[in-house]
Amino acid sequence: QKEVEQNSGPLSVPEGAIASLNCTYSDRGSQSFFWYRQYSGKSPELIMSIYSNGDKEDGRFTAQLNKASQYVSLLIRDSQPSDSATYLCAVAGGSTLGRLYFGRGTQLTVWP
Amino acid sequence: GAVVSQHPSWVICKSGTSVKIECRSLDFQATTMFWYRQFPKQSLMLMATSNEGSKATYEQGVEKDKFLINHASLTLSTLTVTSAHPEDSSFYICSARPTTGGAGELFFGEGSRLTVL
Repeated sequence: QKEVEQNSGPLSVPEGAIASLNCTYSDRGSQSFFWYRQYSGKSPELIMSIYSNGDKEDGRFTAQLNKASQYVSLLIRDSQPSDSATYLCAVAGGSTLGRLYFGRGTQLTVWP
Repeated sequence: GAVVSQHPSWVICKSGTSVKIECRSLDFQATTMFWYRQFPKQSLMLMATSNEGSKATYEQGVEKDKFLINHASLTLSTLTVTSAHPEDSSFYICSARPTTGGAGELFFGEGSRLTVL
């Protein structure tokens, strides 16, 4: 298994704040990176994908990738209580498309 | 959006029995599906890559004789946990990539929670 590390949290932020989630990965050859959100007892749902160095924004979410540092992050602006979930960082591995390795996840709680 | 259905969503069985979990893509064809296992408060751990019409590719440390995978059609992959024991109790999740999809186009099933008594 490829190693994908996340700051384990839990992370607690007030409503309206910025939540910052971090992830590092071991395979320097990795090219595709994903952030998933998982509610308790449910399957993951894709939040963001990023393939190039730099920032990618989608609404309140911004993913940042630095391949030289093997680091990917997710910023959630204007956090809402509905954002409370576990956020999983995933890295594509090998030549098989769709084959992902996940980090342990960071549990985020946004309090009103 | 595309839908992947898993069945059963939860199952309780006695130790020593076998359990089959189905993963079905409802509105697209998937040459490749993936099986994950997730223990409480742990990450999704990739178990194997299921390939339509050929043998599954297992990750290191996953017993292929224990976790039998069959991908007989472009819309169905099954995972059979043979001679299940309490330590096999976990949340099993499949994902499917449309045959014509890109690298990030992946759809997850709802998961199957297995409890072995």
